[in-house]
Amino acid sequence: DSGVTQTPKHLITATGQRVTLRCSPRSGDLSVYWYQQSLDQGLQFLIQYYNGEERAKGNILERFSAQQFPDLHSELNLSSLELGDSALYFCASSLFRLAGTGELFFGEGSRLTVL
Amino acid sequence: GQSLEQPSEVTAVEGAIVQINCTYQTSGFYGLSWYQQHDGGAPTFLSYNALDGLEETGRFSSFLSRSDSYGYLLLQELQMKDSASYFCAVRDQAAGNKLTFGGGTRVLVKP
Repeated sequence: DSGVTQTPKHLITATGQRVTLRCSPRSGDLSVYWYQQSLDQGLQFLIQYYNGEERAKGNILERFSAQQFPDLHSELNLSSLELGDSALYFCASSLFRLAGTGELFFGEGSRLTVL
Repeated sequence: GQSLEQPSEVTAVEGAIVQINCTYQTSGFYGLSWYQQHDGGAPTFLSYNALDGLEETGRFSSFLSRSDSYGYLLLQELQMKDSASYFCAVRDQAAGNKLTFGGGTRVLVKP
């Protein structure tokens, strides 16, 4: 158990809908990262927050947005969903902007299926 | 931008040794990490190399050559439970210290 909690674990929805994925980082970790993993693909970086502020952005679609709240939990909002958005969405955390050892602690992921 | 290349799949038998190579192109390189991911599971951290040389952790070792922009993960005494995907990742200052992952190498261990 990494200490990172993601909800929901599974989500099935229809095209055009909007969903919110939630992440609680490890206790004490200030950084939260979101990654997308499509079937048999690598981990695509979406966005990073550090202590409530956006710190780095990847190829995140304009239909997607995220934020980190004062209690350090984070939410990833996906709107106008398309079939291609079906993927595993991982949240990861680290104490600082990025741990000196390059170590991130990943949650178990939220599996999104868009029908 | 950053790019990492690693083989897509490797098959080996129990007890064998497997080497997974990773070449990278990036700027402001800090270090090379390795992660393991079982099917449907979360990636878990294995090792990190910031300096040239070999780091050994039990049956797994990781190597880095900064001058060659190359590293590898060595899996020794393979066990069935080592069947998983292995990802190399670079920490890149130029990319805001984010961790960029390679496409992953699926390792299949056969009896």
